[in-house]
Amino acid sequence: GAGVSQSPSNKVTEKGKDVELRCDPISGHTALYWYRQRLGQGLEFLIYFQGNSAPDKSGLPSDRFSAERTGESVSTLTIQRTQQEDSAVYLCASSRLRGGIYNEQFFGPGTRLTVL
Amino acid sequence: GDSVTQMEGPVTLSEEAFLTINCTYTATGYPSLFWYVQYPGEGLQLLLKATKADDKGSNKGFEATYRKETTSFHLEKGSVQVSDSAVYFCALSGLTGGGNKLTFGTGTQLKVEL
Repeated sequence: GAGVSQSPSNKVTEKGKDVELRCDPISGHTALYWYRQRLGQGLEFLIYFQGNSAPDKSGLPSDRFSAERTGESVSTLTIQRTQQEDSAVYLCASSRLRGGIYNEQFFGPGTRLTVL
Repeated sequence: GDSVTQMEGPVTLSEEAFLTINCTYTATGYPSLFWYVQYPGEGLQLLLKATKADDKGSNKGFEATYRKETTSFHLEKGSVQVSDSAVYFCALSGLTGGGNKLTFGTGTQLKVEL
C-alpha cells in the first residue's frame, strides 16, 4: 500500500511569506506527527494529532506555526511570516493504535523548506 | 524532559568491520527505544525496536539491547557492508496523553568503505 506522502518535496520562499506543507498519512492510521530536522541537528517534535482528540501542540516553536487535520486524513502545517531559522526539513509520520498503544511511526520523505 | 544522546559522527569503517554506535537516554517511566536509519536520498525507516528492559531488537544483522541499568541502547553489527552507509538515529518514545511522540538523538553518520 501507499506510504506517507508529503508535498511539496521542496519549497523556497522569501522571508515574511506564509507557507503550507501537506501530509497524507497511511490510510487507517489514527495518529499523525510533525517533526522538524534542522541542518546538523536531530529531529524535533512539533505537534501530533490523535483521532478527534485535541492535538498535542507542545513542540510548536512559536505562534507562527499551526497545523490542522481533518478527521483521520490529510494534515496541513502552516508557517506564517517565515524566518530564515525556519529553514529545515519538515517530516510527517503516522501510526496506528494497536492494543491501546501506538506503535511504529512511518515517516514521509519530508518537505525541504528554504527561507531566503 | 526526555532526551537521547548518541555518539557524534561521522564514523568511517572498512567493510566487514565491527560497528558500535552508542546511545544513552534520559526518560521518566519506561520508554520504548528505537533505531531509525536514513539512507542517502531516502526517508527515515525503522531499523529495530525494544519495548522493555533486557529486550533485544534485531534486523538486517543489526542488534541493540535495552539496558535499563545503564539507560543505554547501543547499536551493533558484526560485519558492516558498504550498503549500510547511512545516518542512524536513536530515539525513545514515552506515552504522552495516549500518544508516543519520538525524542531523537542528533544522528550518527556511518560511512563504510571497501
